[in-house]
Amino acid sequence: DGGITQSPKYLFRKEGQNVTLSCEQNLNHDAMYWYRQDPGQGLRLIYYSQIVNDFQKGDIAEGYSVSREKKESFPLTVTSAQKNPTAFYLCASSILAGGGNEQFFGPGTRLTVL
Amino acid sequence: GEDVEQSLFLSVREGDSSVINCTYTDSSSTYLYWYKQEPGAGLQLLTYIFSNMDMKQDQRLTVLLNKKDKHLSLRIADTQTGDSAIYFCAESMGSGNTGKLIFGQGTTLQVKP
Repeated sequence: DGGITQSPKYLFRKEGQNVTLSCEQNLNHDAMYWYRQDPGQGLRLIYYSQIVNDFQKGDIAEGYSVSREKKESFPLTVTSAQKNPTAFYLCASSILAGGGNEQFFGPGTRLTVL
Repeated sequence: GEDVEQSLFLSVREGDSSVINCTYTDSSSTYLYWYKQEPGAGLQLLTYIFSNMDMKQDQRLTVLLNKKDKHLSLRIADTQTGDSAIYFCAESMGSGNTGKLIFGQGTTLQVKP
């Protein structure tokens, strides 16, 4: 079964702690993306990566970090510098060749800071 | 800059048609998408339209694109309670093939039995 997975589904963190959200895809997609979703708002892009070992900041990168050491994996670290980290985090991937840019989404991770 | 706008809420009765509207600003967009999000889940691609098309139909879904007015709509025929969800429109960024999409804030569709 091809797809994109995120883990864990729910995550609780104490203030001041870093936490890493996992995102894996077996679709052989070039690009991967991290979005943050808050109630009543659309998706805001945190980071994206078009190729292994390269990534770019999105619109709200402050307080987050990523790595892309393997094509299939794009973990997101929410650092203690992120002022308001409680949110729903969505990972997506897409093929870049062909121009369709259709993004496939994972099921999301809900992060709550206690 | 790029921006995508949607109305926030739509309520319809089961069996009626739903029309969800979206406006965008980037005239160089190549593809426009409609995604559906059910509570607590990721986004599911419903349909998309290439920017040189005016209309696309896929079963109960009809997408209309007015490129002059930069207006996109999604019509759902015979709306069912299972269609209750948040619907996002998104445009692909026209300059280069970065893969980035710009999303609207989402329209919550409530279907009353």
